[in-house]
Order: sequence, then C-alpha cells, then structure tokens
Amino acid sequence: KNEVEQSPQNLTAQEGEFITINCSYSVGISALHWLQQHPGGGIVSLFMLSSGKKKHGRLIATINIQEKHSSLHITASHPRDSAVYICAVRGGGADGLTFGKGTHLIIQP
Amino acid sequence: DTGVSQDPRHKITKRGQNVTFRCDPISEHNRLYWYRQTLGQGPEFLTYFQNEAQLEKSRLLSDRFSAERPKGSFSTLEIQRTEQGDSAMYLCASSLTLDTEAFFGQGTRLTVV
Repeated sequence: KNEVEQSPQNLTAQEGEFITINCSYSVGISALHWLQQHPGGGIVSLFMLSSGKKKHGRLIATINIQEKHSSLHITASHPRDSAVYICAVRGGGADGLTFGKGTHLIIQP
Repeated sequence: DTGVSQDPRHKITKRGQNVTFRCDPISEHNRLYWYRQTLGQGPEFLTYFQNEAQLEKSRLLSDRFSAERPKGSFSTLEIQRTEQGDSAMYLCASSLTLDTEAFFGQGTRLTVV
C-alpha cells in the first residue's frame, strides 16, 4: 500500500509570495495527481503527471520518480488560491487513487 | 456535459436507517470511483467500476456498503443500517481510462445522527 505524505499541513502566506507544497510517496506509481479542494467539498484536478514538469498559468508541478517526490508551486499567489491542495497517486498495486491528507493554504491580502 | 454530478448534496439520517447516493459520471467515461472523506483527512478509496463491472473494493467497504453500476452509466452507493462513523463526504469521480485525468463530483455529505 502506498503511503502519501504532504508538507506542510498548513501554510499561511502573503499575497504575491511563491508557494511550494511537497508530496512524497512510498512505492512506485503510474501517475500522480495534484487536486484542489475548496470549502464545500468540490475537488478540481490541477495536474496529472508521471514524469518531468507541467505548467498551467501560475501553477507548476514537478515530479522526481527516482526520489518519489513531487512539488506543486504557485507563483504570484492570490487570495483566491486559498484552498486545500491534495496530492494523490495511482500505483502500488491499486487502481484507485491514494491520497495525502492535504495542505491547507491561506493567502492573505 | 456538465461534469460529474452527485445526488443528494447533503443527507441527514438517523442511525440505523439505509441511505442511497447516486453518481452520474461524465458520458463515455468507463471508470467510476467512489471515495470517502472524513473531516480533516484526504479522501480514501472505496471501490471502482470499469463499465458495469466492480473491479476493486477497499477493506473500508464493509458488508453494510454496496455499490452498483448496472448499465455502465450512473452508479449508486447504498449504506445499510447507518452508524455515526459513516458520517463523511462521499465523493464520486470518473475517468475515460486508467491513466487519464479524473473528474470529481461535488460530493454527498452524510450526517448520521
């Protein structure tokens, strides 16, 4: 069973700061997802990646397969980025996703 | 297509009652997943379907839980004899194939009193 660890659990930053959220997993995977969850429960998929780096707007996701580690970066953070960011992986013998506990991000104006 | 939809959004039930939730995935998505999320935790996998076949079930899915996807389109998740520990957000997601992006519904928040 894959173990997914995220850090930090909580992060409060000022508007404009560069944000990094980290995710580590314990066994090999076929794909890693970064998800965003707003209050009320809705989950939005931000990235799915299996190698390298992806960029979408102010969001950048990277993954290092050898080190079993991924990072999500937010450039020029904005209060509307405030949400819970969740890392999830597929692999390790399971077809369903295994999720981290999430990082609760608050961006203050 | 409006994405993955779940019904109801909220459900309050008395302990011991049965409840049923519905998930309508994105059309043509073969894979449908059910997850459960308790407060302050990440979602946990419950079960998934490929078309109408239920291919994997988590140990979290006790005998009181049953899921169906009879025609390979919408799915239902039933909980019998609900317990307070069943209180959680139940999330449904669908994807076209195993390694494509997963799309999530808004979830059904269950409160057992």
